[in-house]
Amino acid sequence: EVQLLESGGGLVQPGGSLRLSCAASGFTFSNYAMSWVRQAPGKGLEWVSAISGSGGSTYYADSVKGRFTISRDNSKNTLYLQMNSLRAEDTAVYYCARQTLAAAGIGHVDVWGQGTTVTVSS
Amino acid sequence: QPVLTQSSSASASLGSSVKLTCTLSSGHSSYIIAWHQQQPGKAPRYLMKLEGSGSYNKGSGVPDRFSGSSSGADRYLTISNLQSEDEADYYCETWDSNTHRVFGGGTKLTVL
Repeated sequence: EVQLLESGGGLVQPGGSLRLSCAASGFTFSNYAMSWVRQAPGKGLEWVSAISGSGGSTYYADSVKGRFTISRDNSKNTLYLQMNSLRAEDTAVYYCARQTLAAAGIGHVDVWGQGTTVTVSS
Repeated sequence: QPVLTQSSSASASLGSSVKLTCTLSSGHSSYIIAWHQQQPGKAPRYLMKLEGSGSYNKGSGVPDRFSGSSSGADRYLTISNLQSEDEADYYCETWDSNTHRVFGGGTKLTVL
């Protein structure tokens, strides 16, 4: 069974840091690009970042560029999101999502994780 | 960059059909989209990929009641024989090599 399991969310103060993880199983992880997508309370889905299957290409939404870093360890079948300089507006449920192709810039999302909640507040 | 426009809400009666619309912005009418469903309190779920030709491919386990179609810049999700569990938010998604990935604002479907 294809599965994505996020972890690492929690409460953090503004300006703080947090690292999210997403453990993948049931498929050949390196064959797929991966994305992080977030959803603020009561709001819609917002794409945050993506990484190619090899990890050689990364992309970011303007709202997180320079603060967040996406990475992956294909030997551990795990996706990461390092979040620095966190702001109140980063408060959201963060979903790990598999894309249909290895190239990060094309293809749609076809598998979603269950999400992990990040709250930025003093 | 592509923009996806969805109505904020829709409603239909149990057992009836409903057609949800996702409209691509000018200059992007040929783009492929995907539809996703998010039931209350749950993670999103992939429903289908939908091309400008109207051809669609559904995800594993998606009921036959769900179908897709296209007309110009509009992409449609039709749900037939509505069930209570179809009450959810529905999002469309597309992608672009420059701006990467975008989602529509979502349509909240109420089953009466």
